[in-house]
Amino acid sequence: KAGVTQTPRYLIKTRGQQVTLSCSPISGHRSVSWYQQTPGQGLQFLFEYFSETQRNKGNFPGRFSGRQFSNSRSEMNVSTLELGDSALYLCASSMGQRTYEQYFGPGTRLTVT
Amino acid sequence: GQQVMQIPQYQHVQEGEDFTTYCNSSTTLSNIQWYKQRPGGHPVFLIQLVKSGEVKKQKRLTFQFGEAKKNSSLHITATQTTDVGTYFCAGPKTQGGSEKLVFGKGTKLTVNP
Repeated sequence: KAGVTQTPRYLIKTRGQQVTLSCSPISGHRSVSWYQQTPGQGLQFLFEYFSETQRNKGNFPGRFSGRQFSNSRSEMNVSTLELGDSALYLCASSMGQRTYEQYFGPGTRLTVT
Repeated sequence: GQQVMQIPQYQHVQEGEDFTTYCNSSTTLSNIQWYKQRPGGHPVFLIQLVKSGEVKKQKRLTFQFGEAKKNSSLHITATQTTDVGTYFCAGPKTQGGSEKLVFGKGTKLTVNP
């Protein structure tokens, strides 16, 4: 079974720009969560989608948004990028509605200059 | 802020020494999960503990869930260089009627050969 895939793997953007990251979960997994990982803050939960509905949201500004499609693929968007948005963005999928074990993708390394 | 505390933040050992990381929650957890992230990699699910006082072993790794289901530990016997990485615990927390997985900040393990 193929693992979680994320595209692109690396991205360099300029302050003020926007970015869209993509995640394809493991086949059959309906829940997709997004995390931001930085050296100082660790793994911070952004949001979770289940069956195209956002089920939970972390404490991030409205510049961070996401969506999930009917095939469970998910995208997250960050608008008006700031230097502090530089991080590894990880997508994780799991099987069901409860917090089952998360299967992480390789991440997208975003650098904002 | 972080609701799952993990200590120590860093641990350096000589190969062959034992290693333990501890995870504490302010509230009772329905389950606790452990993940390992190798340098440059993404978190990989190791195990989930559900029952009070549960102990599970995976080769040289021993995982424990406290009787009150508020704390957990991961113990590695006779560390090897392949054990290098950051170990995270994670527990589900309810927010707004739905659960999200909250990660500790992790313990970074380095092993001197």
